[in-house]
Parts: sequence; C-alpha cells; structure tokens
Amino acid sequence: QQQVKQSPQSLIVQKGGISIINCAYENTAFDYFPWYQQFPGKGPALLIAIRPDVSEKKEGRFTISFNKSAKQFSLHIMDSQPGDSATYFCAATRSGSRLTFGEGTQLTVNP
Amino acid sequence: AAGVIQSPRHLIKEKRETATLKCYPIPRHDTVYWYQQGPGQDPQFLISFYEKMQSDKGSIPDRFSAQQFSDYHSELNMSSLELGDSALYFCASSFGPNYGYTFGSGTRLTVV
Repeated sequence: QQQVKQSPQSLIVQKGGISIINCAYENTAFDYFPWYQQFPGKGPALLIAIRPDVSEKKEGRFTISFNKSAKQFSLHIMDSQPGDSATYFCAATRSGSRLTFGEGTQLTVNP
Repeated sequence: AAGVIQSPRHLIKEKRETATLKCYPIPRHDTVYWYQQGPGQDPQFLISFYEKMQSDKGSIPDRFSAQQFSDYHSELNMSSLELGDSALYFCASSFGPNYGYTFGSGTRLTVV
C-alpha cells in the first residue's frame, strides 16, 4: 500500500513552461515533505522541502504548495529547462526517520 | 564538499552468492540509512543506524544484514542472492536522525 501517491507518472513540457507534479499522503503524523530530483544512475538529491505549518515555499524556480486539510502537496517548476529533465520523487517522513517516497514522475522538458 | 561514498559502484553476482556493499558517510555524520531501488521504482527503506545501533528497520529480507562500525561507515551484507535482488542500493547519511540527509550515488547490483 503506497502511503504517498504521486501523479502524473510521466510529464512532457516545453522549454519555458510550468511543470506541476502532485502528491497525496495518508499518514497525518508525517511532518516533513521533501522533493527529490534523480538523474539516471545517480542518487536522489534534495530539491526543496516543506513542513505542514507552511502553505507555500519557494526557492528559485521551484515552489512547493501544501494543503494540510486535503493532505496534498505539489511541486511547481517555473520556466522549465531541458536540464530539469529527470525523475522527481515526493516523499514524507516523521521526525526525521525513514523516507516514504511517491512512485516518481519522469519529467521531460523539450527544447 | 565531501559526499556519501558508496563502493563498489557496480557489482555482478551469481544467484546464491553473497555480496557486501559499503557506505562511507559524510564526515561527522553518525546516522546511516539504506534504501533499495528497483528498475523504475521508488526507493524503499531497508534499515538505518544511529551511533552504531540499529535505529529503524524496514522491508529488509532476512537474507540481508547490516551494521555500522566505530568509524560510522556501514556495510550491507546480502546472502543467497536472488535475481530479484538486482537493484540500485543507496546509502544516505545525516548528523543525528534528522530531516536533511544526503544520498550517495549508489551501488548497482546485478544478480545473474
């Protein structure tokens, strides 16, 4: 049973467009929600993260929106670039313990 | 900046053989996590250690064991390998069990 559900499975956007990836979680004890970017053959790299007491966090072109009542959060990548093409994972954790990942979204940004 | 070092990067083993994966955390990091990622899958938590003691255990098969040594490096021992064990194995480290841990580049294990 996937505790964190992620969609879409794959996403194709044009250069300069907005990429949006959505996640939903079940466990209300989760208190930290990171997004990871993974290139083929590499380990996941932390992109941006949010805690449930904040509704939005922005770092450069990356923004997380968080809806605590709906138990949903999303990643927005503004001005998407071909170099952003990678697999993106949302995740959740409680008290800094194990990460529970979503299924991943393969993003392709066309030039 | 120093990162999490994993060795070997690639490993090919036959069924029923054993394998040992090593993880060297970022200096001064005392917490290590192991994850398994199958092809096209999300990473699955296996086990973690804090100050050389097992701190959490996930979906790690009984055929696998792990430990953290006095210098904080960790080893994942895998016995009676099966074809289904073929995956990327990632180690991550942090200073204390906290939210911001860093992943290594992984070991790709292929069982033939």
